Amino acid sequence: QLQLQESGPGLVKPSETLSLTCTVSGVSISNNNYFWGWIRQPPGKGLEWIGSFYFSGSTHYNPSLKSRVTLSVDTSKNQFSLRLNSVTAADTAVYFCARTPVGAPSEFYFDFWGQGTLVTVSS
Amino acid sequence: EIVMTQSPATLSVSPGERATLSCRASQSVSSNLAWYQHKPGQAPRLLIYSASTRATGIPARFSGSGSGTEFTLTISSLQSEDFAVYYCQQYNNWPPALTFGGGTKVEIK
Repeated sequence: QLQLQESGPGLVKPSETLSLTCTVSGVSISNNNYFWGWIRQPPGKGLEWIGSFYFSGSTHYNPSLKSRVTLSVDTSKNQFSLRLNSVTAADTAVYFCARTPVGAPSEFYFDFWGQGTLVTVSS
Repeated sequence: EIVMTQSPATLSVSPGERATLSCRASQSVSSNLAWYQHKPGQAPRLLIYSASTRATGIPARFSGSGSGTEFTLTISSLQSEDFAVYYCQQYNNWPPALTFGGGTKVEIK
């Protein structure tokens, strides 16, 4: 059964780096049929895509966050991670990890999500 | 950036009634649109992709329509488990841009 579970500190200080991990069970991250990525939702606001990667190929980032975001993968643990540096209060949000099936070149939706984890940026 | 606008922000519906949710794009996204259901504390669930294709396991009471800039999600007969927030997402200019609407909350009338 497919499961995605986010983990990481719930509190990060301003100007520091937010680091989260998504542990995937039920499918290998190195499976070439999927992208893996992150989406966030600030309190009371809508969803914002952060970035996604394909194990055997490319990584894509939201242009508005690209300068501060890094995605990485640990295949030995079947995990992938998000690092967001120089955080401010505006980065306070629920962070979700999610999967995208590889389909037609123009298709990019999220067919399976984790439950999300709240990260608060505060001193 | 393509801006997605959902309306209404809140929709009050009685169980068994029909719910119609709208999503408008600031420019054409063809049929490159998905709908999601999100309940508090749970993982969002994919309902519809390619504007009108139901995802695996989604009941037939959920249907999507539209193309270009105007899209609709219809729930034909609301069940208790359908009260949630619904989001649309466009992926027409991927990569790199993906954008979501602000959501419509469907609440019990």
